[in-house]
Amino acid sequence: ETGVTQSPTHLIKTRGQQVTLRCSSQSGHNTVSWYQQALGQGPQFIFQYYREEENGRGNFPPRFSGLQFPNYSSELNVNALELDDSALYLCASSLGAFSYNEQFFGPGTRLTVL
Amino acid sequence: AQSVTQLDSQVPVFEEAPVELRCNYSSSVSVYLFWYVQYPNQGLQLLLKYLSGSTLVKGINGFEAEFNKSQTSFHLRKPSVHISDTAEYFCAVTMTTDSWGKLQFGAGTQVVVTP
Repeated sequence: ETGVTQSPTHLIKTRGQQVTLRCSSQSGHNTVSWYQQALGQGPQFIFQYYREEENGRGNFPPRFSGLQFPNYSSELNVNALELDDSALYLCASSLGAFSYNEQFFGPGTRLTVL
Repeated sequence: AQSVTQLDSQVPVFEEAPVELRCNYSSSVSVYLFWYVQYPNQGLQLLLKYLSGSTLVKGINGFEAEFNKSQTSFHLRKPSVHISDTAEYFCAVTMTTDSWGKLQFGAGTQVVVTP
């Protein structure tokens, strides 16, 4: 069974640009969550998608958006990048959207905004 | 709303010694509790979780944790650590009333194991 994968591994962008991060969930997992982990901090919940619909959102502005596709892949899009968006972005997939469902994390994408 | 406090930002420990990582939470409703480990340049891996039942939970790699509802704590322990246990450890909670899985993480505890 293939685990959760993310691409790219690293990314450098300049302020004001747009970025798309990609995630491939474990086969059969209908739920994906995205987290932002700033340096030296714990991950912060961005949002969750369940069966291709946004199912819940944390305290992130609308310039953070996502998509989930039927083939277990998903995207995180960030518009108008700011310096504070520099972080490790983690996706996690689960078999179900409930709070007790175990979330399986990918290795993350390191985004640097200059 | 809920919050998680990890009381130690860094814990140095000698190989084969025991270690305890402290986690306290606050929540107006009942919670599920998790411990994750993050090795350098990797994602998070679940060590153990408390959903219900016995308050002593055993996880992978010899770790265990005890849920204490009255003290709102979920401390992680290992009786004898290895060099390979050097990593960042995160405590996390979700509310049992949530229909979606928003994990609320603590700031993490860096464990450094030395020979």
